[in-house]
Amino acid sequence: NAGVMQNPRHLVRRRGQEARLRCSPMKGHSHVYWYRQLPEEGLKFMVYLQKENIIDESGMPKERFSAEFPKEGPSILRIQQVVRGDSAAYFCASSSGPSPAYEQYFGPGTRLTVT
Amino acid sequence: QKEVEQDPGPLSVPEGAIVSLNCTYSNSAFQYFMWYRQYSRKAPELLMYTYSSGNKEDGRFTAQVDKSSKYISLFIRDSQPSDSATYLCAMSDGQAGTALIFGKGTTLSVSS
Repeated sequence: NAGVMQNPRHLVRRRGQEARLRCSPMKGHSHVYWYRQLPEEGLKFMVYLQKENIIDESGMPKERFSAEFPKEGPSILRIQQVVRGDSAAYFCASSSGPSPAYEQYFGPGTRLTVT
Repeated sequence: QKEVEQDPGPLSVPEGAIVSLNCTYSNSAFQYFMWYRQYSRKAPELLMYTYSSGNKEDGRFTAQVDKSSKYISLFIRDSQPSDSATYLCAMSDGQAGTALIFGKGTTLSVSS
């Protein structure tokens, strides 16, 4: 049973480019959470999605960031016009029901470097 | 004051030592408390999950929650070099779908 998959594992973008991060949840999971981990910082919640719906995006920066979880395919976190401050590890987690009653399983993360 | 405070360490102990990791929090609504272990550049994995106050034991690991003091602990007995990792505490108020609030993590190194 495959775990949460994220790709790419490493992504390098120049300032001003777009970054697309993908997350395939565990089989049977329809709840996806995105977190960002800055150097020397803990995981910070960004957005919570269920299939085709954004449930909570209170942790998402107001500009340049967007997320989706379509009916088919992986969840996508999109960062437009990246800046150096976007360099971080981005983790997604999935669960079979709403947290915290259902355990969140984390993917290995995508490490974004903005040059 | 941050919602969840956790000393980042690093914490270095010899093999076989008892390790105590701690977090304090400010939000009295938190009811669910978790400890995650994260090896370098790997996915966080859930170690312990506790609801409300009390203790929970799983092998060499014991989680304690003291809601009156807003303080949680993770104890590791007979620590092993393989326990060397970053330990993250996380908590939630329990409302369905709410995000976990994480501490910064404590880096532990167990030397053989």
